[in-house]
Amino acid sequence: QQQVKQSPQSLIVQKGGISIINCAYENTAFDYFPWYQQFPGKGPALLIAIRPDVSEKKEGRFTISFNKSAKQFSLHIMDSQPGDSATYFCAAGDSGGYQKVTFGTGTKLQVIP
Amino acid sequence: SAVISQKPSRDICQRGTSLTIQCQVDSQVTMMFWYRQQPGQSLTLIATANQGSEATYESGFVIDKFPISRPNLTFSTLTVSNMSPEDSSIYLCSVGFADTQYFGPGTRLTVL
Repeated sequence: QQQVKQSPQSLIVQKGGISIINCAYENTAFDYFPWYQQFPGKGPALLIAIRPDVSEKKEGRFTISFNKSAKQFSLHIMDSQPGDSATYFCAAGDSGGYQKVTFGTGTKLQVIP
Repeated sequence: SAVISQKPSRDICQRGTSLTIQCQVDSQVTMMFWYRQQPGQSLTLIATANQGSEATYESGFVIDKFPISRPNLTFSTLTVSNMSPEDSSIYLCSVGFADTQYFGPGTRLTVL
């Protein structure tokens, strides 16, 4: 499987702050970049996704920024809340592979009051 | 969206035995995927299961250890065979549906 690098491994943010998680990929065939949120004991749930035809996508407090030339993308969580405390995975996929994605290593986010 | 259920949700098994995990989807889907997530780690794809054909396994995973069945467009099973403590993981079923990948809640397996 092609590698997707994710950083940081863990992140502590104050309530109301901005959480930023970064990912980089290698395979230029990737054309689908989702972010997943996973709570303990649960399967990953799709949070937001982007395709390379746009440089930014925003849904509520969550924004993906995408830099095609650098092969990097990031998740920004604005006004972070304690309920956002979870593990976040970036992923990358090739639509020709029926949405099969390769996952990053995960970032454990803790939002403290 | 697609709703996925898995059985069992968790199990504790003895070394050398086998466990079959079931995955049920509420919609007909072409491809189903099985992932493994070791404690505190990321997700690793085990195999892709297409209805009516043999599953395709990723590097490091073999059919004898992880046989998969895909009898119809809404159901699949993954068997973890001849288990060892190293197989202790969460096993997740996933489907691609409407341009999105959805995951089941996972099966937490502990091998003693």
